Amino acid sequence: AQSVTQPDIHITVSEGASLELRCNYSYGATPYLFWYVQSPGQGLQLLLKYFSGDTLVQGIKGFEAEFKRSQSSFNLRKPSVHWSDAAEYFCAVGSSNTGKLIFGQGTTLQVKP
Amino acid sequence: DSGVTQTPKHLITATGQRVTLRCSPRSGDLSVYWYQQSLDQGLQFLIQYYNGEERAKGNILERFSAQQFPDLHSELNLSSLELGDSALYFCASSVNPTSNNEQFFGPGTRLTVL
Repeated sequence: AQSVTQPDIHITVSEGASLELRCNYSYGATPYLFWYVQSPGQGLQLLLKYFSGDTLVQGIKGFEAEFKRSQSSFNLRKPSVHWSDAAEYFCAVGSSNTGKLIFGQGTTLQVKP
Repeated sequence: DSGVTQTPKHLITATGQRVTLRCSPRSGDLSVYWYQQSLDQGLQFLIQYYNGEERAKGNILERFSAQQFPDLHSELNLSSLELGDSALYFCASSVNPTSNNEQFFGPGTRLTVL
């Protein structure tokens, strides 16, 4: 069965520090992978996606993610975190024949001044 | 602003009642999705429609039903409501029905069942 695991429920980093949010997936075929961000009281916004090709993908707001098939991982990174990055981050895997997205439990990012 | 609209923003009702949540997709998007976000279950896919037809079904209870109308807006009907149905319900839309199309999410409808 398809599943997504985000091992870290809550992460706190200092402003200006680097960030890595972990995501592991289980999927039978080549997955479609996504990272979404949800600010308080808001809907979800797509940060980046991976379908195929280059395993390092760039997204909006300075985020990037790397697909590692051998580790079934799709970790999200940012070299320098800003206070406005405080939010909840969701990793998701998509089906190739429908639009169904399976989400991880989410990681809440807190940014210290 | 994603271009997806959902009404109402908030809904408070009692157990046993029935409610209807409405979603208007982005202009040009043919596929609509419903997701439920709750503290204990996280963010879960409920159902997908594409051009008026059901395309995929997830963990949607029998008490819940949905449809997509000819003008492409969608409604999610929740009946015989229970306390555990309290959640944030998101609608999303995309141009095509497969996952290699970005889904744009609405702001959600927060349902509180008392």
